[in-house]
Amino acid sequence: DTEVTQTPKHLVMGMTNKKSLKCEQHMGHRAMYWYKQKAKKPPELMFVYSYEKLSINESVPSRFSPECPNSSLLNLHLHALQPEDSALYLCASSPGLAGYTDTQYFGPGTRLTVL
Amino acid sequence: GESVGLHLPTLSVQEGDNSIINCAYSNSASDYFIWYKQESGKGPQFIIDIRSNMDKRQGQRVTVLLNKTVKHLSLQIAATQPGDSAVYFCAEAKSGYSTLTFGKGTMLLVSP
Repeated sequence: DTEVTQTPKHLVMGMTNKKSLKCEQHMGHRAMYWYKQKAKKPPELMFVYSYEKLSINESVPSRFSPECPNSSLLNLHLHALQPEDSALYLCASSPGLAGYTDTQYFGPGTRLTVL
Repeated sequence: GESVGLHLPTLSVQEGDNSIINCAYSNSASDYFIWYKQESGKGPQFIIDIRSNMDKRQGQRVTVLLNKTVKHLSLQIAATQPGDSAVYFCAEAKSGYSTLTFGKGTMLLVSP
């Protein structure tokens, strides 16, 4: 099973709202990722968690706050977003073997619209 | 035929044709390469990967070719079907690093 699930599928929020995106995998993967994807563009890496610790933050604004409660779950907390943050947010996971680059498996994404 | 639009190169083929999607990668130190398929409104789906110790790898109806000399990667799809219509991304990575660098993507349109 190579399934990564994401909820919600769609989210519409105002600029003053606080919301969270959720991601879950049960493949025993130890690396999890958040990406942002604009239309007709490739995914852009935002954050990487390795063994539940934040290992990479690609200079993402603080209005995006990631959290990894356990090895299967990854959240992205959203606060005071801007309309230009509207995009498809993708979660991915990989086995995360130390020193080894391996396949990332993506979830279906959350389509976020900021009004 | 292939055209380069304002944002996304597009390859248009007829059902049953063989398709070849090309990708030029940027980092000569990259040693792991992946092809993803992304259908409209969905997340990228893993198709096939290849490591730099190989020149060719075959899957079901798909073949990936790697030319390290010119930093070129290609995805061949045999007997293309309408269900193959999607955007295809190549991605590269360097061993020991967890990050992928994605190419710009190619849209494949398959006509019945």
